[in-house]
Amino acid sequence: SQKIEQNSEALNIQEGKTATLTCNYTNYSPAYLQWYRQDPGRGPVFLLLIRENEKEKRKERLKVTFDTTLKQSLFHITASQPADSATYLCALEGYGGSQGNLIFGKGTKLSVKP
Amino acid sequence: DAGVIQSPRHEVTEMGQEVTLRCKPISGHNSLFWYRQTMMRGLELLIYFNNNVPIDDSGMPEDRFSAKMPNASFSTLKIQPSEPRDSAVYFCASSYFNNEQFFGPGTRLTVL
Repeated sequence: SQKIEQNSEALNIQEGKTATLTCNYTNYSPAYLQWYRQDPGRGPVFLLLIRENEKEKRKERLKVTFDTTLKQSLFHITASQPADSATYLCALEGYGGSQGNLIFGKGTKLSVKP
Repeated sequence: DAGVIQSPRHEVTEMGQEVTLRCKPISGHNSLFWYRQTMMRGLELLIYFNNNVPIDDSGMPEDRFSAKMPNASFSTLKIQPSEPRDSAVYFCASSYFNNEQFFGPGTRLTVL
């Protein structure tokens, strides 16, 4: 069955450093990979979408890479700030009939210390 | 835009009772999704609709769960009868042609 793993449940870094979160998957060939941010008591908020034929995508301080050979996505936050502290979820989306059917990882809780 | 609206925000009920969760998607969106989130299992898709039609309900745990979307601006998720293991946060999300999903604030359900 499909499996998604996010590298760790928690990641602690110092303000100003680059945070790198990992999403690995098995038994799946996604068309898209999405990253969401979730704050306590709130619903997930969409950050970035990367297609299977794209290697990298950037948005402000965020960068996502997608390696379909390694079956892995890396999510980077550069110049991290305490306000970036949240749980980050990766989600896979398939083709055709599976479009819209997102499979989420359990998330990585990022804490950025001042 | 008010975003996705869910009600109630919190629900506490006793085992065996019927529970109805409500969702109003973002106007103009044509896809609606119901998710359940727990610490153990993370965020799981229960069912999703395209243009008010259920497309995939394979995530619905059992017959006690049912969902309807009578029109483009309203959907319900019903649990009858409820059980303690149904306790979770239930999210509704909507999207336009299966692009990024916009999530509501969630309903925290506690079944005693």
